[in-house]
Amino acid sequence: NAGVTQTPKFRVLKTGQSMTLLCAQDMNHEYMYWYRQDPGMGLRLIHYSVGEGTTAKGEVPDGYNVSRLKKQNFLLGLESAAPSQTSVYFCASTPGFQPQHFGDGTRLSIL
Amino acid sequence: AQSVTQPDIHITVSEGASLELRCNYSYGATPYLFWYVQSPGQGLQLLLKYFSGDTLVQGIKGFEAEFKRSQSSFNLRKPSVHWSDAAEYFCAVGAGNQGGKLIFGQGTELSVKP
Repeated sequence: NAGVTQTPKFRVLKTGQSMTLLCAQDMNHEYMYWYRQDPGMGLRLIHYSVGEGTTAKGEVPDGYNVSRLKKQNFLLGLESAAPSQTSVYFCASTPGFQPQHFGDGTRLSIL
Repeated sequence: AQSVTQPDIHITVSEGASLELRCNYSYGATPYLFWYVQSPGQGLQLLLKYFSGDTLVQGIKGFEAEFKRSQSSFNLRKPSVHWSDAAEYFCAVGAGNQGGKLIFGQGTELSVKP
């Protein structure tokens, strides 16, 4: 069982560049989430999706966009990367009112 | 608004000693409560959860937590800490009617002395 897979695991970007982080889950979960983790701040929700074709804003959505075209995939986009977006990004999924399953994270540095 | 507070940023305990990590939450209804553990460079692993019923819940790796509604707390405990328990621990609260969203505490980093 792969569970939740995040691609890439590491990335370094220059300010103003764009990129897309991919999250894939093989558990047929309806709900998917993107978080960012910064020291001393826990995990903060960026965007989430309650099903294929749906997305919603979380706590810190500015500067990010998401898409859920297929049930198993949840993409997080940075259109114009900023140094403040340097963080570790985690994707998670859940079938509903159950604990979330997390990927191993993507470490992103913006220079 | 929902919130979760973990008052201790960093705790150091000796191997074999008991452990209690504190978690306080703010939520208007009965919450879903979770403890997750994160080893360096890894994702989050679920230790235990509380949805309803018995307020003392058992988890993996010998951890347990007790839900105390009157104190809005969900503290994590372990009777005897092992060196491999060194990690960061996160408490989280969720609601059943909000798309499964979780609110996380700031985390408590646990160090274990030999």
